[in-house]
Amino acid sequence: GIQVEQSPPDLILQEGANSTLRCNFSDSVNNLQWFHQNPWGQLINLFYIPSGTKQNGRLSATTVATERYSLLYISSSQTTDSGVYFCAVRSGGSYIPTFGRGTSLIVHP
Amino acid sequence: GAGVSQSPSNKVTEKGKDVELRCDPISGHTALYWYRQSLGQGLEFLIYFQGNSAPDKSGLPSDRFSAERTGGSVSTLTIQRTQQEDSAVYLCASSFLGGGKAKNIQYFGAGTRLSVL
Repeated sequence: GIQVEQSPPDLILQEGANSTLRCNFSDSVNNLQWFHQNPWGQLINLFYIPSGTKQNGRLSATTVATERYSLLYISSSQTTDSGVYFCAVRSGGSYIPTFGRGTSLIVHP
Repeated sequence: GAGVSQSPSNKVTEKGKDVELRCDPISGHTALYWYRQSLGQGLEFLIYFQGNSAPDKSGLPSDRFSAERTGGSVSTLTIQRTQQEDSAVYLCASSFLGGGKAKNIQYFGAGTRLSVL
């Protein structure tokens, strides 16, 4: 099956800093989502982005499908950005997503 | 409802007991997924329902785990004879599988935290 790798596994930032999270995948995808799991465990949709670029406030994401990676940009980070960021992809005819292991982000005040 | 609802939010049980976890998906969503997340780990797929089709049970870890989805809506995940290694957060997600802008975007519930003593 498709392999999904996220990097870095852990990230510690000072409030106000910018960061880039990466998701590499081993095959072509027809569905890619970025999620934020907050410290209470709730998974929140950030982006549906199988290709192209999207922005939502301080967050933006870019997927380069031909090169099999996606990037999540966080600008002017805030303490509320802390948590784990997951990338999930689907490929071929499968309706079952494959999740990466996540990037754990801690933002200090 | 407005979102995916799971109950109970927390469940403590004794080893060997059976437990039932409930998921109420977003109204109109045709697909429903169960996942398990152990402490500090990623999401482990368990089972997938789509409409009236036979569920994809390929992720269920043992025959102690089963799930059903009644009337294409509410789903129940049952764990029989619970073991300590079953302790985890059980997450449910739903999505609408269709064309256009629906795009099979998954929405997650808040999860059920299961502790087996």
